[in-house]
Amino acid sequence: GAVVSQHPSRVICKSGTSVKIECRSLDFQATTMFWYRQFPKQSLMLMATSNEGSKATYEQGVEKDKFLINHASLTLSTLTVTSAHPEDSSFYICSARDAGRTLYNEQFFGPGTRLTVL
Amino acid sequence: DAKTTQPPSMDCAEGRAANLPCNHSTISGNEYVYWYRQIHSQGPQYIIHGLKNNETNEMASLIITEDRKSSTLILPHATLRDTAVYYCIVSADSWGKFQFGAGTQVVVTP
Repeated sequence: GAVVSQHPSRVICKSGTSVKIECRSLDFQATTMFWYRQFPKQSLMLMATSNEGSKATYEQGVEKDKFLINHASLTLSTLTVTSAHPEDSSFYICSARDAGRTLYNEQFFGPGTRLTVL
Repeated sequence: DAKTTQPPSMDCAEGRAANLPCNHSTISGNEYVYWYRQIHSQGPQYIIHGLKNNETNEMASLIITEDRKSSTLILPHATLRDTAVYYCIVSADSWGKFQFGAGTQVVVTP
């Protein structure tokens, strides 16, 4: 149980284009999902918290107009990197909290999406 | 900023126990301690979590000191597949946010 998927697993795009990454909880409902970014040899950096049916909450320094997050259902959140540039190349990872386990905060992580912007 | 401190690296012999320390001296009373690991180019994998009592599951054991200012993750019989970066995280934020520190790179050798 507690499986989170991401699509695509890797994407290469041209500078200036937009890229959408999907995060799905496969066997549980997730009222809260999180988006992280990880650069090579660095730790995960939290970008934003996504709540179903409401606006995402962005961490300080993360441009909300560049990283659009939509959490339209209890099993799907999407991250769109708009007008991507080479410096946006990174490993993007989502995670989800099980809505049925409100006592704990453990997150279940997706496998990640490798974005390369040329 | 992360609220935990871990050694940057640790080597362990295959078949031996690996003891991974974590310092969380500013932990609040309602914060849990979570352990995750990340194998290269994959998403983090949940290992275990605890509040006050020691915990054990099929993957590991978690020992939390009585004052809760530090904890130790124990992998009882390390295998080569346990080579990964191990993260210790404390969280009780109402949003459930995790702030990852640098973690400990564990290398299990034959």
